[in-house]
This record gives sequence, C-alpha cells and structure tokens, in this order.
Amino acid sequence: NAGVTQTPKFQVLKTGQSMTLQCAQDMNHEYMSWYRQDPGMGLRLIHYSVGAGITDQGEVPNGYNVSRSTTEDFPLRLLSAAPSQTSVYFCASSSSAVYNSPLHFGNGTRLTVT
Amino acid sequence: AQKVTQAQTEISVVEKEDVTLDCVYETRDTTYYLFWYKQPPSGELVFLIRRNSFDEQNEISGRYSWNFQKSTSSFNFTITASQVVDSAVYFCALSEAVQGAQKLVFGQGTRLTINP
Repeated sequence: NAGVTQTPKFQVLKTGQSMTLQCAQDMNHEYMSWYRQDPGMGLRLIHYSVGAGITDQGEVPNGYNVSRSTTEDFPLRLLSAAPSQTSVYFCASSSSAVYNSPLHFGNGTRLTVT
Repeated sequence: AQKVTQAQTEISVVEKEDVTLDCVYETRDTTYYLFWYKQPPSGELVFLIRRNSFDEQNEISGRYSWNFQKSTSSFNFTITASQVVDSAVYFCALSEAVQGAQKLVFGQGTRLTINP
C-alpha cells in the first residue's frame, strides 16, 4: 500500500524558476489537497480538488497552480518561485470531500528557494 | 472566521510523566469536526482522532485521551505515562460543515519532547 506519494523529497530552486511538485495516491480517493507547513504557522491549505477536473483555492493560493486530470494525480506547479515559497509541502487525500473525513498525508517535499 | 490556537509551542517532560496538550478553537458554525494529527521526527502526518461538535464524550485510546468541551471551545489531548516514542509535533485542526468541502484549519502545533 503506497498511499500518498510525493516527489521529489527535496528541491532547491533559484528565484524565478518554475517546477512541479508531484502527488499521486492509489486509494481511489476523490478528495486531494496541498498544504504548506511553515514554522509557527501550522499547515495552511493552498489548493484542493473534490474530483477529477475540479479544483479550488484554499487559504494561500497565490503563486501556485494545480490541475486534476485523473483521480490519482494532483500536481502543484510553482510558476515563478520566490523565497517566500520556501516551505515544506504536503499533499493529502481523503476518501470523501465531506468535511469530516480524515486526511492521509504524503511524506512531504522540502523546498528551498534561494 | 475559524481559528485554532495551540498556545504551547514546546513541551518537554521526563518519560512516564502525564502531559496535556491544549487546543482552543473559534468557529461560528454549529456543525464542525475537530482533529488531532501527529507528526513524528520522520516528518509524515498521522491522523489520531476526530470528534464532531455534537459529541462531547471524552475519548480514551490506550494511553491517549481527549477532552472536548464546547463551553470553553477546547479539545485537549492527554498522554498518560508518556514514552519516548510519543515525541513529535502534534497538531489540532478544525473543519466546518459550512465550508462544504473539507478545508482544515490547523493550529500552530506543539512540539512534545519526551526525555528518557
């Protein structure tokens, strides 16, 4: 059981570069989301998806794009990286988009923007 | 607006001590869920428990117990006879029904260190 798989685990970018953080789940979950974790701020929701073809913004969406072409995959794109995007990024999924469903998290991607 | 506050940034205790992690929340919704997640040193987040806003019964699971009090908007987590393996960052989170889809709001986290 792979669960939620995130790649890469570590990434260093220069300001202005673009990249895509990959997230895949093999549990046939309809709900997927991206959070960023910063010291002293807990985790904050970036974008989420309630099913293939449907995405929406969370609390801190600026500078990030997402798409959901399949149930399994939910990539997060940074179009022009900024130092403020240095963070640990977590992808999470849930069997249901309903507000009471526990999330299954990936192991995280640690991103540094210089 | 919804908000979760974990005022204890770091707690350090000696093994076998009991420890309580505080969580206070704010919401205007009457229907919501509260969660606790654990983040061990390896970095992944693990779901521990959820509690709905209509169920104020305390929950006990082995050495873990949770006390939910709507009157004080708190959902505290107690570890009895702590062990070194309990060392982790613990997050409390809130999810409101009015939001429709799940949009968890997390507290800042409490880093718990259990010393041998």
